[in-house]
Parts: sequence; structure tokens; C-alpha cells
Amino acid sequence: GESVGLHLPTLSVQEGDNSIINCAYSNSASDYFIWYKQESGKGPQFIIDIRSNMDKRQGQRVTVLLNKTVKHLSLQIAATQPGDSAVYFCAEKKGGKLIFGQGTELSVKP
Amino acid sequence: GAVVSQHPSRVICKSGTSVKIECRSLDFQATTMFWYRQFPKQSLMLMATSNEGSKATYEQGVEKDKFLINHASLTLSTLTVTSAHPEDSSFYICSAAGGASNTEAFFGQGTRLTVV
Repeated sequence: GESVGLHLPTLSVQEGDNSIINCAYSNSASDYFIWYKQESGKGPQFIIDIRSNMDKRQGQRVTVLLNKTVKHLSLQIAATQPGDSAVYFCAEKKGGKLIFGQGTELSVKP
Repeated sequence: GAVVSQHPSRVICKSGTSVKIECRSLDFQATTMFWYRQFPKQSLMLMATSNEGSKATYEQGVEKDKFLINHASLTLSTLTVTSAHPEDSSFYICSAAGGASNTEAFFGQGTRLTVV
């Protein structure tokens, strides 16, 4: 099966701080990107998406930035809360498939 | 967001038996469904992509005769793990895309399969 990366890196932040989670994608032809949040034992939950004709999109407390030049995606979470603790994955739409990138485990310290 | 229901959430089966996992889109028509496998502390690995009414497209290295996928309707896809062995123990997750937005994919809650 296709996947990117094996073991999850971790990011630890203080409650109230901003978090930035990064992702490198593989295919310059991908035209749609999604960030998902996954809590332990559950399926991924949609957070925010962005199309390749945009470089920034904002949601509630979250912002996604897309840099097509270096094939880089980032998720910014403002005022991080304990409930934000989870694993975050980026995913790219490629040839009709939804391919997940390497996740990042976010840990929020109270 | 749209609702995707996956059943069962947990299953324990004996080695050599088959297990069927169901994935239903409850409030939209899923033209495409994806099946993933996830090992602890790892990313989701795409196993196969299925479009309603046609055969599933399997990723390289995924045995189609072992992981049978059926997508007979726009709201239901099933994954059957045949002749399960302990190494098939994993977290299996389905995803459905379609409806008003043909690009966003919604996920089921996953199925924890343990083969003893």
C-alpha cells in the first residue's frame, strides 16, 4: 500500500501557545490537500482543506498554508488547547486517491 | 460534515476465519470509498480504492484475494479479510467521498481487528 513515512514525530506545546505542524507532500500534480485530526482509537476527523490555486485558508482557530514551490503544507493552530492533543495528518488527492502523509503527534501541556 | 458509519468497531476472530467490515455513508452518496490500514504510531496506508459498481483498485503489495472489497451501492462498501492470521491484526479505516463535494473525504470510526 502507499503511504509516506513510518514513525510519528511529536510536538509538545504549552496551552495557549500557537502550534505549527508541517508536512511535505510528494506530487506536484496534487491539486487538493486536507488536514485531519485523529484521536486515539478513532478515525480521522476533517479539519480544513485547501486547493492548489490557493496559498492560505483560514478556519476557526486554524490556518493552512500551502507552498507549492517546495511542496510544503502547514497547519497553524491558534491558542492551542488540551483538547487539541491528537495526531495530525496531511493528505493529498493524487490520481483519485487520498494519500496520507506522515503524521505529527501534538501534545498540549496544561 | 457528512457521516460515515463503520461496523464493527472491534472484532476478535480466530486464525483461519474470515471477517467482514462494513462502511456506510449515512447522508450522502459515496461514489468512491477508500480502505486504509493503520499500525500503531504510523500513518494510514491506503489499501484500495473502490468506485460503486466496479472492481476495486488495489495498492501495490495488497492481496486482492485476501482483502475482498465490495462496493455494491452508493452507500455501502464492505471489506472482508479472508483466512485471517495474527499478522492481519490492525486498525482498518474506511473513507467515503462524494455528495455535494466530490473531493472531501469523510472517515468511519475504524475497526480494531485482533486475530488470535
